[in-house]
Amino acid sequence: TQLLEQSPQFLSIQEGENLTVYCNSSSVFSSLQWYRQEPGEGPVLLVTVVTGGEVKKLKRLTFQFGDARKDSSLHITAAQPGDTGLYLCAGVNNNAGNMLTFGGGTRLMVKP
Amino acid sequence: GAVVSQHPSRVICKSGTSVKIECRSLDFQATTMFWYRQFPKKSLMLMATSNEGSKATYEQGVEKDKFLINHASLTLSTLTVTSAHPEDSSFYICSIETATSYGYTFGSGTRLTVV
Repeated sequence: TQLLEQSPQFLSIQEGENLTVYCNSSSVFSSLQWYRQEPGEGPVLLVTVVTGGEVKKLKRLTFQFGDARKDSSLHITAAQPGDTGLYLCAGVNNNAGNMLTFGGGTRLMVKP
Repeated sequence: GAVVSQHPSRVICKSGTSVKIECRSLDFQATTMFWYRQFPKKSLMLMATSNEGSKATYEQGVEKDKFLINHASLTLSTLTVTSAHPEDSSFYICSIETATSYGYTFGSGTRLTVV
């Protein structure tokens, strides 16, 4: 069974601060995805990283895939209250029917 | 991108009754759909993989007779919670895999409350 450990579980910061969320596994994934979920809604895909060492930027969000494709990070610069939500990483294993394995999630609250 | 419609968004039912949740892919033919369960403030747990025209594949620990899945067409999968009990209360979410973006599109979820 492939497991993804996500940290921290909870994060409460002030507007304007920076933060990093980590997603770690002992297993190799074909690709890794980051989602954001708001209460009462389904997760929305933010980014997919496929290549080891890959870095993708989405405005103030920077996503990195580890060289060995076992870990990933999400860095948010100058967080805003609108960034508040549940951030989920999810690994994809092409050898296991493309099934998604979710991390435990990071609940972020950005205070104005 | 693909659009997934899930219905109903909220449902309250009495113990012992059955509830059907629909997941529709509005603009993508999905041979495979996924059903997840999410407890409050927790992550998503895969319950089963729904396969069009064949039996669903259930994850370990998920009772197939309690959570009936039907995937009769390329655009519709249903999850029926049979003889519901309060412990079945949860947020149920479906998703489809969209090959074009390596990503998955999720429905907006169904909040089930069993009283």
